[in-house]
Amino acid sequence: DAGVIQSPRHEVTEMGQEVTLRCKPISGHDYLFWYRQTMMRGLELLIYFNNNVPIDDSGMPEDRFSAKMPNASFSTLKIQPSEPRDSAVYFCASSHGDRGPPPTFGQGTRLTVV
Amino acid sequence: AQKITQTQPGMFVQEKEAVTLDCTYDTSDPSYGLFWYKQPSSGEMIFLIYQGSYDQQNATEGRYSLNFQKARKSANLVISASQLGDSAMYFCAMRGVNTGGFKTIFGAGTRLFVKA
Repeated sequence: DAGVIQSPRHEVTEMGQEVTLRCKPISGHDYLFWYRQTMMRGLELLIYFNNNVPIDDSGMPEDRFSAKMPNASFSTLKIQPSEPRDSAVYFCASSHGDRGPPPTFGQGTRLTVV
Repeated sequence: AQKITQTQPGMFVQEKEAVTLDCTYDTSDPSYGLFWYKQPSSGEMIFLIYQGSYDQQNATEGRYSLNFQKARKSANLVISASQLGDSAMYFCAMRGVNTGGFKTIFGAGTRLFVKA
């Protein structure tokens, strides 16, 4: 398996633009997590899905952030409009089962909003 | 609510010596899992070791062992015979029950520096 695949790896955008981050989980994994990593706040769980259904989005910072999982093999995290404080590394991770192996992380997307 | 605490922002260890990275947690779930991840400067998250709350024995994986003290709610990572390549950020994480599913949260991390 190719692992969790995120795209793009790097994104530079101007303030006010829409940004879409993409994630392909490992085939067969039923949990998908979106995390944001910054120096100030560490690794924050933004939202997670189980069987394509959002379970907990309490970590989503504000209405500018939205996430979808239209099928088992694809998820997006969208920021509209983007702001400089959204600059961070965004990780997608997936795992299988309630008590299975721990989440496997993608390589992350480094987002810079100027 | 679940919480993970790593109180050591940075640690130094001499090459070939052992080092313990602290992690305490708080949860009311009867069943949970504890993990450690390593994040080198390249940025990827690498899973190291797992401990289930009902496991009788402490987990070990090569040079990594997890000192699990359930009553004290601590899950410290012990790295034996440190190597220069162990210099990285280390995160403690916990997976517990959340309404409708299992949620994994992370501590703030400890940056480990291995000195030659």
